Amino acid sequence: ETGVTQTPRHLVMGMTNKKSLKCEQHLGHNAMYWYKQSAKKPLELMFVYSLEERVENNSVPSRFSPECPNSSHLFLHLHTLQPEDSALYLCASSQDPSGGITDTQYFGPGTRLTVL
Amino acid sequence: RKEVEQDPGPFNVPEGATVAFNCTYSNSASQSFFWYRQDCRKEPKLLMSVYSSGNEDGRFTAQLNRASQYISLLIRDSKLSDSATYLCVVNNDYKLSFGAGTTVTVRA
Repeated sequence: ETGVTQTPRHLVMGMTNKKSLKCEQHLGHNAMYWYKQSAKKPLELMFVYSLEERVENNSVPSRFSPECPNSSHLFLHLHTLQPEDSALYLCASSQDPSGGITDTQYFGPGTRLTVL
Repeated sequence: RKEVEQDPGPFNVPEGATVAFNCTYSNSASQSFFWYRQDCRKEPKLLMSVYSSGNEDGRFTAQLNRASQYISLLIRDSKLSDSATYLCVVNNDYKLSFGAGTTVTVRA
């Protein structure tokens, strides 16, 4: 079974709410990722953390704010979201912080977010 | 041009059939490639990694053609449980670029 867990699994929020998504990896990995998956679209990389430092911020609006307190935990703080932000948010982790060619990402089950 | 392009399908095949589909990528410097499987409303799960010309794992065979910049996935002796969306993934440094997926439906 997956060594990456995410909570909550489902979230419905209004545009004025503030909520947080949580991801935890039990694989001893050094890199963690947030992805957004909208219907019928490819996964979009949002943020990358390597050894707890943010190495990628893929032009994501500031209403999404990541936090990585340690190598096992990753949060995505949400505030004043828009209905078009409704999607499946996936967390992933991988072993190699430099992203070598054999580095493989393992995904959590995702949080299905609906913004009303 | 999209970084990774896949035929969305769907490919509808009977049990026991062979099905194959391709994925093209735009970055000629890409070094590693993956096929992930994603079931409806679930997370992607790694199916195969491809680092050299190809890889075979049981009924699944992946081929890499660097000259033409495509990767293929072939599934032999299809099972009902193979019904899923197959995501082609290209590794550029630590960034994975995902295709939109090819949907395969295996019917009894």
